[in-house]
Amino acid sequence: GAVVSQHPSWVICKSGTSVKIECRSLDFQATTMFWYRQFPKQSLMLMATSNEGSKATYEQGVEKDKFLINHASLTLSTLTVTSAHPEDSSFYICSARSGWNTEAFFGQGTRLTVV
Amino acid sequence: GEDVEQSLFLSVREGDSSVINCTYTDSSSTYLYWYKQEPGAGLQLLTYIFSNMDMKQDQRLTVLLNKKDKHLSLRIADTQTGDSAIYFCAETSNSGGYQKVTFGTGTKLQVIP
Repeated sequence: GAVVSQHPSWVICKSGTSVKIECRSLDFQATTMFWYRQFPKQSLMLMATSNEGSKATYEQGVEKDKFLINHASLTLSTLTVTSAHPEDSSFYICSARSGWNTEAFFGQGTRLTVV
Repeated sequence: GEDVEQSLFLSVREGDSSVINCTYTDSSSTYLYWYKQEPGAGLQLLTYIFSNMDMKQDQRLTVLLNKKDKHLSLRIADTQTGDSAIYFCAETSNSGGYQKVTFGTGTKLQVIP
């Protein structure tokens, strides 16, 4: 299957700083990328959907100014957690698909810990 | 909106078969997936099935899809202790012109030696 690489795998940052997470599709062009968040012992929660070259669509309750998503190219999307706080500590996972109604492939996830 | 449901917990003995069930609500689903998540790790895609298929087999894994009842199942033959993990089913749907992948709550599979 296609490969989606997410970087970093884990990151620890100080409260108040910003953290950027990258999601790359290595062998296909991702027209759509999704960002998920997973709370402990819970399922994945979709945060936002981004299509290359356009603004991301955020799910209800997700602060777009806090979770900045950029999908500048067909192979790269970034999620920036701005002014991170301990409650932002979570497991963040990206997903990418190449086109309409095609299968989605997931990155390995990023564990963010804010101290 | 889309809803995907799974039972929360399943316990089986090593060597037995495991069957994890999933129901979904979106009749326009095109792809349905099974993912495995081990503690502290990301999601591992196990298999997926296109909605026009009834069954897909891949080594120890068998996926059955009943599109009429919107029911998806994953059967693991000869379950091993290494199969202990949380299994998520997921389905793709279109919402407001955008595509989503919606996950179930996950089923924790415990394999007893």
